[in-house]
Amino acid sequence: EVQLLESGGGLAQPGGSLRLSCAASRITFSNYVMSWVRQAPGKGLEWVASISGSGNSTSYVDSVKGRFTISRDNSKNTLYLQMNSLRAEDTAVYYCVLVVIRWGQGTLVTVSS
Amino acid sequence: DIRMTQSPSSLSASVGDRITITCRASQDIRNNLAWFQQKPGKAPTSLIYAISSSSSQSGVPSKFSGSGSGTDFTLTISSLQPEDFATYYCQQYSIYPWTFGQGTKVEIK
Repeated sequence: EVQLLESGGGLAQPGGSLRLSCAASRITFSNYVMSWVRQAPGKGLEWVASISGSGNSTSYVDSVKGRFTISRDNSKNTLYLQMNSLRAEDTAVYYCVLVVIRWGQGTLVTVSS
Repeated sequence: DIRMTQSPSSLSASVGDRITITCRASQDIRNNLAWFQQKPGKAPTSLIYAISSSSSQSGVPSKFSGSGSGTDFTLTISSLQPEDFATYYCQQYSIYPWTFGQGTKVEIK
């Protein structure tokens, strides 16, 4: 069974940076679009970004454009989300998602001074 | 952006009931719609995707079924069981930015 394991969450100050990782196993990783989806406390789901299997194409929600960068290393079966210029409203659980099929367990990002 | 509108936002039902949740897209998304279930404190899990073919995730019980295409979609649970009380979300993955419905919370009556 496919496994997705996120890491890298934690506490960051406003204006700070964090890098999330998602390690995938038991799949041909490069075949699949990967995404990050977040969920603020007590709120619904929000798509953040997606990347093509090759890594050549990316898309972002407007609220993170210019601040977040999605990338992948297919040799390591790993997805990344580099988050810069963090804001309080970025506080959420961040999920790694394989297409629309499989979700990781999530990693909590808290932005607070 | 494509707006996804779920209804109802919440519903109360009894064990054994058949329920239907609807999801409407603000423009044609063909069959690029997925449904997810989320229980409190847990990650979402995928139920159905490529909705018109009712493609289901392996291991998802057959009591979950989806239908629709274009702009109007439904998720039906044929016989509610205690483990089905959760929040359900639809998502379109036809056009970026991908967007979710606001969720439907299914509670025990």
